[in-house]
Amino acid sequence: GAVVSQHPSWVICKSGTSVKIECRSLDFQATTMFWYRQFPKQSLMLMATSNEGSKATYEQGVEKDKFLINHASLTLSTLTVTSAHPEDSSFYICSAREGLAGGRDTQYFGPGTRLTVL
Amino acid sequence: GENVEQHPSTLSVQEGDSAVIKCTYSDSASNYFPWYKQELGKRPQLIIDIRSNVGEKKDQRIAVTLNKTAKHFSLHITETQPEDSAVYFCAASKRWSSASKIIFGSGTRLSIRP
Repeated sequence: GAVVSQHPSWVICKSGTSVKIECRSLDFQATTMFWYRQFPKQSLMLMATSNEGSKATYEQGVEKDKFLINHASLTLSTLTVTSAHPEDSSFYICSAREGLAGGRDTQYFGPGTRLTVL
Repeated sequence: GENVEQHPSTLSVQEGDSAVIKCTYSDSASNYFPWYKQELGKRPQLIIDIRSNVGEKKDQRIAVTLNKTAKHFSLHITETQPEDSAVYFCAASKRWSSASKIIFGSGTRLSIRP
């Protein structure tokens, strides 16, 4: 089956610093990638949708200048949390979709990245 | 946009009994309803899904039903086992559409009592 990886799996940083999280599709080309945030004991909340080569579409209430998303290639999307604060501490999960045609619109989830901001 | 509500938030059942989790969705254009199981600190795992042109689907001990008119769908787990303990999420999306983002319900923490 399709595999999506994330790096790092966990990160601890100081308040005010920026953190970059990578999401890679390992055995397929992902035209669309999604970024979710999950706080403890809560659901996955969609943050943004990114299409390769174009600007990400952010969900209402998500600060685009704080959560920078780049989907520069068909196998890599990055999420950068800028000027991180303790309230940004969360589990960040990406998912990737190959395309819409031919039954390839299934989304495959990455293993998640746990961010702790001190 | 789509809104998915899920009940109950916690569920405890005796091993061997059945568990039922219910969800409702708001967007009548949604046509794909996956269910995910998530263990602590791990990615959500797709366990079963149903499309809007089907009313019921079964896979061994797991079944899902869909009532399009009422915009309700449910997950049924029979003969529950300890390894079924996890958090379960229902979700809805518009599959085959460029807008096919998955919107999750709030989750149900299922505990199986030995």
